[in-house]
Amino acid sequence: EVQLAQSGAEVKKPGESLRISCKGSGYSFTNYWISWVRQVPGKGLEWMGRIDPSDSYTNYRASFQGHVTISVDTAISTAYLQWSSLKASDTAMYYCARRLPFGDNVWDYWGQGTLVTVSS
Amino acid sequence: EIVLTQSPATLSLSPGERATLSCRASQSVKDYLAWYQQKPGQPPRLLIYDASNRATGIPARFSGSGSGTDFTLTISSLEPEDFAVYYCQQRSNWPPIFGGGTKVEIK
Repeated sequence: EVQLAQSGAEVKKPGESLRISCKGSGYSFTNYWISWVRQVPGKGLEWMGRIDPSDSYTNYRASFQGHVTISVDTAISTAYLQWSSLKASDTAMYYCARRLPFGDNVWDYWGQGTLVTVSS
Repeated sequence: EIVLTQSPATLSLSPGERATLSCRASQSVKDYLAWYQQKPGQPPRLLIYDASNRATGIPARFSGSGSGTDFTLTISSLEPEDFAVYYCQQRSNWPPIFGGGTKVEIK
């Protein structure tokens, strides 16, 4: 069974760093791009960026470029989303998602989400 | 960036009724449009991809249609578990974009 298991909720202060994780199981991790999607509480979905686990190639949405970093550790089938300096506006639920086997940028398996709260 | 406009924002219906949700793109996305369902506290669930293809395990009461700029998600007869928020999403142009969502609520 394909699963994406995300790390637990985080509470941070502005300016702090953070890395959240997404562990894939039940499939060949390096064969499927992983994307990260943000959802501000009560709002819609925003695609942030993606990584190809086979070579760590990344693409970012322009509005997130330079503010977040997506990485991967294939040895443990885990993708990461990290911030070096959080802002209050980063408060949101973050989902990782795996693309369809036969379609890019459409996602059939999703993690359960990681809630990040940034508050002084 | 492409803009996806979903209408209506809220749809109030009773179980057993037919639901028709609209998604309009600011420019052609060909047939590269998907629909997702999201319930409170849950991640999105893929329903339809490439305008009209049901994802694995999705009941036949969900159907998608359209191409170019105008798309429709139809739920033929609402079940209690179908009351949720529905998002469309395009993958034709970079970056992938979601619509603002339509909430289907119990009347």
